[in-house]
Amino acid sequence: AQSVTQLGSHVSVSEGALVLLRCNYSSSVPPYLFWYVQYPNQGLQLLLKYTSAATLVKGINGFEAEFKKSETSFHLTKPSAHMSDAAEYFCAVTPAGTASKLTFGTGTRLQVTL
Amino acid sequence: NAGVTQTPKFRVLKTGQSMTLLCAQDMNHEYMYWYRQDPGMGLRLIHYSVGEGTTAKGEVPDGYNVSRLKKQNFLLGLESAAPSQTSVYFCASSLPGQGFPGANVLTFGAGSRLTVL
Repeated sequence: AQSVTQLGSHVSVSEGALVLLRCNYSSSVPPYLFWYVQYPNQGLQLLLKYTSAATLVKGINGFEAEFKKSETSFHLTKPSAHMSDAAEYFCAVTPAGTASKLTFGTGTRLQVTL
Repeated sequence: NAGVTQTPKFRVLKTGQSMTLLCAQDMNHEYMYWYRQDPGMGLRLIHYSVGEGTTAKGEVPDGYNVSRLKKQNFLLGLESAAPSQTSVYFCASSLPGQGFPGANVLTFGAGSRLTVL
């Protein structure tokens, strides 16, 4: 079985500040890891994914995440927050090489202030 | 380029009524899923399908039934709605397999908001 834990249900940053959203995973087999973003009243969109290639993964809109096996983490970062980044972010995990039955975290709502 | 389309977008039901949510995808994806989203609980998988004519239970299947008679459609049914089924429902689809850019990536619909009174 696999699971993800997202620390902090709400994160607030100033525009231009570093964004750091935390995700820790638990998996008995090598995982595939994902970050999805949900804007208000919309479905989820893929930001980036880790599928056992490079451990530093770059996604859309300037986001990136680093897979750290020793820490069982897959934190999402962006050097400089923009107002348009305000949304809810979900980390998700699935066992590598299996059907895409993702297990999602509970989400982190990012607020960006002036 | 429609992607994943869910109907209806909004519905209000009374306890005990039945209804069906329809999901349609035009990407020729093999896999389809129904999730529910509740505040503070993220997305939880209700049922999924790995191909036409197949369905399987997810994490929270009780009170729901599904059918995948055609590859492009995945129906979610509530036979006797309960207030606990008030939620936002998301359909998603994906390609199977691994080792190529689209593998394991879910494409989501815009959601269907269901309220059961």
